[in-house]
Amino acid sequence: GAGVSQSPSNKVTEKGKDVELRCDPISGHTALYWYRQSLGQGLEFLIYFQGNSAPDKSGLPSDRFSAERTGGSVSTLTIQRTQQEDSAVYLCASSLLSRRTDRSGYTFGSGTRLTVV
Amino acid sequence: AQSVTQLGSHVSVSEGALVLLRCNYSSSVPPYLFWYVQYPNQGLQLLLKYTSAATLVKGINGFEAEFKKSETSFHLTKPSAHMSDAAEYFCAVSVGPLNNFGNEKLTFGTGTRLTIIP
Repeated sequence: GAGVSQSPSNKVTEKGKDVELRCDPISGHTALYWYRQSLGQGLEFLIYFQGNSAPDKSGLPSDRFSAERTGGSVSTLTIQRTQQEDSAVYLCASSLLSRRTDRSGYTFGSGTRLTVV
Repeated sequence: AQSVTQLGSHVSVSEGALVLLRCNYSSSVPPYLFWYVQYPNQGLQLLLKYTSAATLVKGINGFEAEFKKSETSFHLTKPSAHMSDAAEYFCAVSVGPLNNFGNEKLTFGTGTRLTIIP
């Protein structure tokens, strides 16, 4: 597609339930990132995919969080046993892989607003 | 580790006035610096980036930023504010040459909300 697409745009879930957030990156973008934007915490890096591999998972806050990417395209972020502190906007971004000494910059999706009640 | 500080969580300027949003970075290696803008209920949009070429970088919507190594700053400016500039602005840093995995992980500042007064 023309941009990064995320679904759903809004999700309200009960504490303890599992949720899945979806990201469709720009076609051909091999790099994919998940970030979390919450009040008081700003934008936090969660995970980075190169193709279907995730060489950097350092930002995942706990083992309740996992992500996968299939076909070098769609990515799913799964949060198990959701807690109220998981409430945030989850942003996905994609980019072409940059050269070693340059940066391409990202294209972000509009995000999924997750509310845990 | 690298970090970014944005001075002023809220900035208000009159329409037509100069916009100045401040960003200072901390990095032990040459940084790559970015400004992103976020409109309500939207994702972040890249305004401009500094990648060690020209120190004065021009971006979209009339914005520009100047990299000043001696001041460790990358302030964002626009000569004349427009109502459509009202949004939240984020400064971000990425450091070091990319490893084999091409990870462009960004560290973001806490953002500055820009309000334009008619």
